[in-house]
Amino acid sequence: KAGVTQTPRYLIKTRGQQVTLSCSPISGHRSVSWYQQTPGQGLQFLFEYFSETQRNKGNFPGRFSGRQFSNSRSEMNVSTLELGDSALYLCASSLQTSGYSYEQYFGPGTRLTVT
Amino acid sequence: AQTVTQSQPEMSVQEAETVTLSCTYDTSENNYYLFWYKQPPSRQMILVIRQEAYKQQNATENRFSVNFQKAAKSFSLKISDSQLGDTAMYFCAFIVGSNYKLTFGKGTLLTVNP
Repeated sequence: KAGVTQTPRYLIKTRGQQVTLSCSPISGHRSVSWYQQTPGQGLQFLFEYFSETQRNKGNFPGRFSGRQFSNSRSEMNVSTLELGDSALYLCASSLQTSGYSYEQYFGPGTRLTVT
Repeated sequence: AQTVTQSQPEMSVQEAETVTLSCTYDTSENNYYLFWYKQPPSRQMILVIRQEAYKQQNATENRFSVNFQKAAKSFSLKISDSQLGDTAMYFCAFIVGSNYKLTFGKGTLLTVNP
């Protein structure tokens, strides 16, 4: 089975621009979560989607948004980029069926650099 | 608040030796799951081992095992017969079934020396 894929892998943007990152979960997984990883703050939860519905959202400003499509693929968008948004953005998918242990499987990440 | 504390920012071990990474967590929930993830340098995050909080038996996956002390909210990872490929950042994390988000510790950088 193919793992979680994320595109693009690397991205360089300028302050004020917006960016869209994409994530394709493991086949059959219906839950997709997004995390931001930085050296200073570590791994922080952005949001989680299941069957096209956002079920939880972390403490990030409204510039960070996401969505999930009917095929479980997900995108996240960051508008009006700031230097502090430079980070590794990780997507994770989970099976999320009754009795499952909620483990999440991560993609390789998108490295976003804001200049 | 739900938190995870990894008190060892860095550790090193000689190849073939055993090492234990510490983790404590805090939650008021009863239904949760604990994980150790491994992130090798510039590589993908990999799930190492998981433990359901309702299970008393400690989880084991080949050379990796955990010591789960629920009352103490402690969840340490033991790596036996350390290999060079075990060099990585190790993250302790847990998820509460009702909120679907993983809460991570800051990580322990483990270096296995030849």
